Amino acid sequence: AQSVAQPEDQVNVAEGNPLTVKCTYSVSGNPYLFWYVQYPNRGLQFLLKYITGDNLVKGSYGFEAEFNKSQTSFHLKKPSALVSDSALYFCAVRGLSFSSGAGSYQLTFGKGTKLSVIP
Amino acid sequence: NAGVTQTPKFQVLKTGQSMTLQCAQDMNHEYMSWYRQDPGMGLRLIHYSVGAGITDQGEVPNGYNVSRSTTEDFPLRLLSAAPSQTSVYFCASSYSPSLVTEQFFGPGTRLTVL
Repeated sequence: AQSVAQPEDQVNVAEGNPLTVKCTYSVSGNPYLFWYVQYPNRGLQFLLKYITGDNLVKGSYGFEAEFNKSQTSFHLKKPSALVSDSALYFCAVRGLSFSSGAGSYQLTFGKGTKLSVIP
Repeated sequence: NAGVTQTPKFQVLKTGQSMTLQCAQDMNHEYMSWYRQDPGMGLRLIHYSVGAGITDQGEVPNGYNVSRSTTEDFPLRLLSAAPSQTSVYFCASSYSPSLVTEQFFGPGTRLTVL
């Protein structure tokens, strides 16, 4: 079964500094990886995804993520943090389930990392 | 497009009561799913559907039923509510049944079971 680990419950960074939110994964086959953001009392919003191709993926709001196959990691980065980036960030991996016989796909999410950007 | 809509936004139930959480999408997406979000647990998949008439269980299906009679709607039924089902529930949809495209999430339903 697939899994995602986000080793930091909380990340604090000063405004204007670079930020990194860490994610490692485990999955059979080629990894399909996603980052989502959740603002307070809202649903999740898609930031970016890695399917194939370049290891550096660019997404919404100036975020990017670096895929590293050997380290099974997919860290989220931003060169200069904004106070408005403060939110809960989730990493997810696509996996294949055979619970009903025929295979179908599911997303497995990490537990989330709370990012606080300090003015 | 309204995107993914969920009703109600808030609900309080007593133990043993049943209810249905509604989810609808107007994007003609084949894949729909239900998650629950609990503090420190992330999102956990309850049930999902890859098209009308097709549903499957996720990680935490016990105590919940789903059906998918149309492409647009994917209701989640709580059969006999328990305090352990107190959570925030999110419905999501995706264009791609193989999840190579992103999921769009609804605003959530906050459920309290007393």
